[in-house]
Amino acid sequence: AQSVTQLGSHVSVSEGALVLLRCNYSSSVPPYLFWYVQYPNQGLQLLLKYTSAATLVKGINGFEAEFKKSETSFHLTKPSAHMSDAAEYFCAVSRNTGFQKLVFGTGTRLLVSP
Amino acid sequence: GAGVSQSPSNKVTEKGKDVELRCDPISGHTALYWYRQRLGQGLEFLIYFQGNSAPDKSGLPSDRFSAERTGESVSTLTIQRTQQEDSAVYLCASSLGLGNSPLHFGNGTRLTVT
Repeated sequence: AQSVTQLGSHVSVSEGALVLLRCNYSSSVPPYLFWYVQYPNQGLQLLLKYTSAATLVKGINGFEAEFKKSETSFHLTKPSAHMSDAAEYFCAVSRNTGFQKLVFGTGTRLLVSP
Repeated sequence: GAGVSQSPSNKVTEKGKDVELRCDPISGHTALYWYRQRLGQGLEFLIYFQGNSAPDKSGLPSDRFSAERTGESVSTLTIQRTQQEDSAVYLCASSLGLGNSPLHFGNGTRLTVT
């Protein structure tokens, strides 16, 4: 079975500050890992994905995430927050074989203050 | 169309009534997923279609929930005898069905059971 834990339901940062959203996964097989973002009143969009190639994955809007097998983590970072980054962020895991049943975390709401 | 389309965008119904939610996936996407997002919670997997077959319907909460897909295209999620705990945003997603294919989400149907 696979699962994802996102630490912190809310994270607040100031504009220009580092963004760090935490995600730890559990998987009995090598996983695929994803970060999705949900802006207010919009559907989920893929930010980035890890599929066993490079462990440091770059996504859209300046976000990146690093897969660390030893820590079973896939934390999302951005060096400098922008007001437009305010949204809900979801980490998800799936198996790397068979159909892609994504298991999502409970989400982290990012608040950015001026 | 260009993206995943869901209708209606909002649905208010009385307890005990049946509702039907529709999803039009991206053309050519063989995989289709239904998720549920309750207020303040993560995404809960409901059912997955590969073509018109549903190899995994393990997430359907009860026998009041059913889904079908026809023509490897449109899918409908039906909830019979709705209960207040069914109130949530129901999200549909589609993908090419490969192991690392990203899911493309619709904007969801917000269901409110009064």
